[in-house]
Amino acid sequence: AQTVTQSQPEMSVQEAETVTLSCTYDTSENNYYLFWYKQPPSRQMILVIRQEAYKQQNATENRFSVNFQKAAKSFSLKISDSQLGDTAMYFCAFSSGGGADGLTFGKGTHLIIQP
Amino acid sequence: GAGVSQSPSNKVTEKGKDVELRCDPISGHTALYWYRQSLGQGLEFLIYFQGNSAPDKSGLPSDRFSAERTGGSVSTLTIQRTQQEDSAVYLCASSPGTGTIDTQYFGPGTRLTVL
Repeated sequence: AQTVTQSQPEMSVQEAETVTLSCTYDTSENNYYLFWYKQPPSRQMILVIRQEAYKQQNATENRFSVNFQKAAKSFSLKISDSQLGDTAMYFCAFSSGGGADGLTFGKGTHLIIQP
Repeated sequence: GAGVSQSPSNKVTEKGKDVELRCDPISGHTALYWYRQSLGQGLEFLIYFQGNSAPDKSGLPSDRFSAERTGGSVSTLTIQRTQQEDSAVYLCASSPGTGTIDTQYFGPGTRLTVL
């Protein structure tokens, strides 16, 4: 079974700063998919970014980018120029593909952006 | 277009009562997922439907939990004889179901409180 670990329960940074959220995972699979989801107080889980393990290039979506280290089984999320609206729970998630096993989530990191 | 919707938004029930939670996926999405989010357990994958079929029900926490999907669209998660430990947010997600890995789009969840 896969496991996903987020070692930072809570982080707080000032608006406009850059912040990095950590995620490590454990799997014996070679092909898999990794995701970062954001969950604001509204409870709606929103996809931030995804990465296919077979791709060496790190995924980027505007202010959000990942540092994917396959050998180290590490998948960190970098948020640049942080904004107040980035305040939320952030969950790292793993999928082996195919859908039947669903997503395996980490415990989450509560990110607070201070004005 | 319309996203995933869930009803009710909140449900308060008494221990021992049965509850039904409903999920309306994005139109055309053939894959549907149920997750449970609780303080103690984090986010747990419960069950996956491809069309009307759920190939693996082993993720359901107990035999008091059942889920069905009819017409390849709406799904209901039923909890019989509710217990206090069933209190959680129940999240539903859908995906197109056409690729090896599809992004899952989440609904706002149903917060269940068992008194």
